[in-house]
Amino acid sequence: GAGVSQTPSNKVTEKGKYVELRCDPISGHTALYWYRQSLGQGPEFLIYFQGTGAADDSGLPNDRFFAVRPEGSVSTLKIQRTERGDSAVYLCASSEAGGVYYEQYFGPGTRLTVT
Amino acid sequence: AQSVAQPEDQVNVAEGNPLTVKCTYSVSGNPYLFWYVQYPNRGLQFLLKYITGDNLVKGSYGFEAEFNKSQTSFHLKKPSALVSDSALYFCAVRDGGSYIPTFGRGTSLIVHP
Repeated sequence: GAGVSQTPSNKVTEKGKYVELRCDPISGHTALYWYRQSLGQGPEFLIYFQGTGAADDSGLPNDRFFAVRPEGSVSTLKIQRTERGDSAVYLCASSEAGGVYYEQYFGPGTRLTVT
Repeated sequence: AQSVAQPEDQVNVAEGNPLTVKCTYSVSGNPYLFWYVQYPNRGLQFLLKYITGDNLVKGSYGFEAEFNKSQTSFHLKKPSALVSDSALYFCAVRDGGSYIPTFGRGTSLIVHP
């Protein structure tokens, strides 16, 4: 079946602009995670959704970052007033449920470059 | 608090030889441990997990991992490496009751023909 998809695969934007990154999880997966991965590092947690609600947003670095999942499926990560330090690969993952037993299925990521 | 360490940035092994990629962890409760592999320009793929039960866990592509509670380790192993195993490997841990995993920095595995 279809895996997790993310669009766009690459995004180049100018400093100060607004960007939206989209994630389509595996159908039926109730848990959805956003991570940020910098070169030479592991995925860094940003936000976790269980259904439509953000169950944990403690990883969002500041109030320029926001994410939604209005219907419990597709999610959008929104970044306002982008900065060069936001440049990274943004990964989305989904799992059957949010419990500790479940592995995550990752999308290919969106590479964001802020110039 | 939970943390995970992958002490080696890179592991080199000849094709056909056994391989080990190391991972140690720290949790305050029961550990739930995962290994993922990442190929270039692709997302992470799940390999195997330890939740409870047998300390030796078998996973995809012939990989296995051994949970050692006294040494707080969860090393990834394969008896005979393939060139196609060359990739970036990530260990992750969840503390009991936590929905959020912590990932290690990753280990680059290079298998030489």
